[in-house]
Amino acid sequence: DTAVSQTPKYLVTQMGNDKSIKCEQNLGHDTMYWYKQDSKKFLKIMFSYNNKELIINETVPNRFSPKSPDKAHLNLHINSLELGDSAVYFCASSPGGRSTDTQYFGPGTRLTVL
Amino acid sequence: GNSVTQMEGPVTLSEEAFLTINCTYTATGYPSLFWYVQYPGEGLQLLLKATKADDKGSNKGFEATYRKETTSFHLEKGSVQVSDSAVYFCALISGGSNYKLTFGKGTLLTVNP
Repeated sequence: DTAVSQTPKYLVTQMGNDKSIKCEQNLGHDTMYWYKQDSKKFLKIMFSYNNKELIINETVPNRFSPKSPDKAHLNLHINSLELGDSAVYFCASSPGGRSTDTQYFGPGTRLTVL
Repeated sequence: GNSVTQMEGPVTLSEEAFLTINCTYTATGYPSLFWYVQYPGEGLQLLLKATKADDKGSNKGFEATYRKETTSFHLEKGSVQVSDSAVYFCALISGGSNYKLTFGKGTLLTVNP
């Protein structure tokens, strides 16, 4: 059973389009995250939700909008895609509430903007 | 703010060689420290962690000790295998950071037979 799953795995699209990436976790965790990995492999937090409430919103363009319909799902919608949005996006989850918690990552979604 | 500095590599070793990947950090309070591994084409997996000073995390022959006095968490393995080829990330979570992981830039390890 997949603990943290993301769809799609690959996404190729044109500049200016709007796209969504979906994430689901079946671990019963309270907290979910979106991270962006750039072409040099650097990973940076974008958003975090705890029990459907936004708790981290780093300096991300407002073209990016996370949505958490329930605590098992955290989707990422991106409007007006730009070339610089090309990256691998990772969803993660953790039990929540403690700095000692392990975060469990999904397989990633490779977004290519042409 | 929080930051993690790790040797960037790439690191190329022969099978059965000794591995060290250095990691130092800057953080407020007493962070938890992690090593994650990313195999080619895959997501990140936790390799090991340590949550307080002098703790040693270990897994799959890898070890790292939380050294508060030197703010370090160096990763070591006595004898690497070809299957250890991957990118290794040092990371931390500090209290008050809303539990976000702050990552180092990653170190690419290639092990040749």
